[in-house]
Amino acid sequence: DAGVIQSPRHEVTEMGQEVTLRCKPISGHDYLFWYRQTMMRGLELLIYFNNNVPIDDSGMPEDRFSAKMPNASFSTLKIQPSEPRDSAVYFCASTYSGNEQFFGPGTRLTVL
Amino acid sequence: AQSVTQLDSQVPVFEEAPVELRCNYSSSVSVYLFWYVQYPNQGLQLLLKYLSGSTLVKGINGFEAEFNKSQTSFHLRKPSVHISDTAEYFCAVPVAGGTSYGKLTFGQGTILTVHP
Repeated sequence: DAGVIQSPRHEVTEMGQEVTLRCKPISGHDYLFWYRQTMMRGLELLIYFNNNVPIDDSGMPEDRFSAKMPNASFSTLKIQPSEPRDSAVYFCASTYSGNEQFFGPGTRLTVL
Repeated sequence: AQSVTQLDSQVPVFEEAPVELRCNYSSSVSVYLFWYVQYPNQGLQLLLKYLSGSTLVKGINGFEAEFNKSQTSFHLRKPSVHISDTAEYFCAVPVAGGTSYGKLTFGQGTILTVHP
């Protein structure tokens, strides 16, 4: 298996622009997690899905952030409009029935 | 909710020396505990996990951790480190406690730097 796939690996954008991050979980996994990592705040869980349904989005910082999982093999995290403080590394992870989480390589987002 | 505290933000050590990375958790009930490693510019990877049974858990790359219920600790150890062990290490516990894997809370991380 190719593991969790994230794209793009790096994204540089200007403040106010829309940013879409993509994730393909490991085939057969039924949980998908979105995390954000910064020096100041460490690793934070933003939202997670079970069987494509959002279960807990309490970590989503504000309405500018939204996440979708239209099917079992694809999820997006969208930021609109983006702000410099959104600069971070965003990780996607997946797991089968709540077992070990497998992380993707991350997307490094820079908002100028 | 459960939480974990990693007591050291950075640990420098020389190659072939032993190392211990400290983690304390908050819980009065049975828990699952995890150590993850993050190599530079990569995602997190599971090193080892404690579920139940033996309090000494062995993981990948020669790492091990000991679950100590009385001290609410789960320290990570390696008897002899290599340059390639340079990475950031995270302790984690399920937010809901007990035996749930689903939603984890991570410590702030410990950066291990191995010098030649």
